[in-house]
Amino acid sequence: DAKTTQPTSMDCAEGRAANLPCNHSTISGNEYVYWYRQIHSQGPQYIIHGLKNNETNEMASLIITEDRKSSTLILPHATLRDTAVYYCIVRANFGNEKLTFGTGTRLTIIP
Amino acid sequence: NAGVMQNPRHLVRRRGQEARLRCSPMKGHSHVYWYRQLPEEGLKFMVYLQKENIIDESGMPKERFSAEFPKEGPSILRIQQVVRGDSAAYFCASSPNPPSSTVPFHGYTFGSGTRLTVV
Repeated sequence: DAKTTQPTSMDCAEGRAANLPCNHSTISGNEYVYWYRQIHSQGPQYIIHGLKNNETNEMASLIITEDRKSSTLILPHATLRDTAVYYCIVRANFGNEKLTFGTGTRLTIIP
Repeated sequence: NAGVMQNPRHLVRRRGQEARLRCSPMKGHSHVYWYRQLPEEGLKFMVYLQKENIIDESGMPKERFSAEFPKEGPSILRIQQVVRGDSAAYFCASSPNPPSSTVPFHGYTFGSGTRLTVV
């Protein structure tokens, strides 16, 4: 069962910020929001995760709404290499629960 | 994806043959997950293994597919009597000991995958 909803595709101009939304209105209190991406023909790559506070690392920023029902992944200065499918996943931060991938957002960076 | 090694990268099998896909997890990781990605589709969980144990095989097809993770050596995903519908990319991921309430989970590390083509 899909726990997240993402747009099917998005375009972003090179050098601009790419903002990828995700709805997770049924998220539980112990579930984190994870973002992965899959560049063509490669294995998925972990980007970032968070619980309720905004998070930032060298790759991206994650903004989670106060009610935790949605979040936005921000790639601050998109490059052509950021063209990929981006997956938003909710998962409890402990235990053996598997990662369940949805269909993701296909982000295309336009030169 | 450095660290999780999958081989072969590409595998071609004729219908009815067996396919063996190997996955060596990152050093220190004792948990392995297999995913399948059919052409133009998302990743689907297949099986989760610890050393010598299958923890969750809820995504494995009931027939022809098996997986193991022996005490020594890589994890093996085995597909017997392959059919054209088995053509897909098979990805392996690994993680260290499962997180608990005091040990946070920072995501799996995926390998580069094995692309199986059945002709």
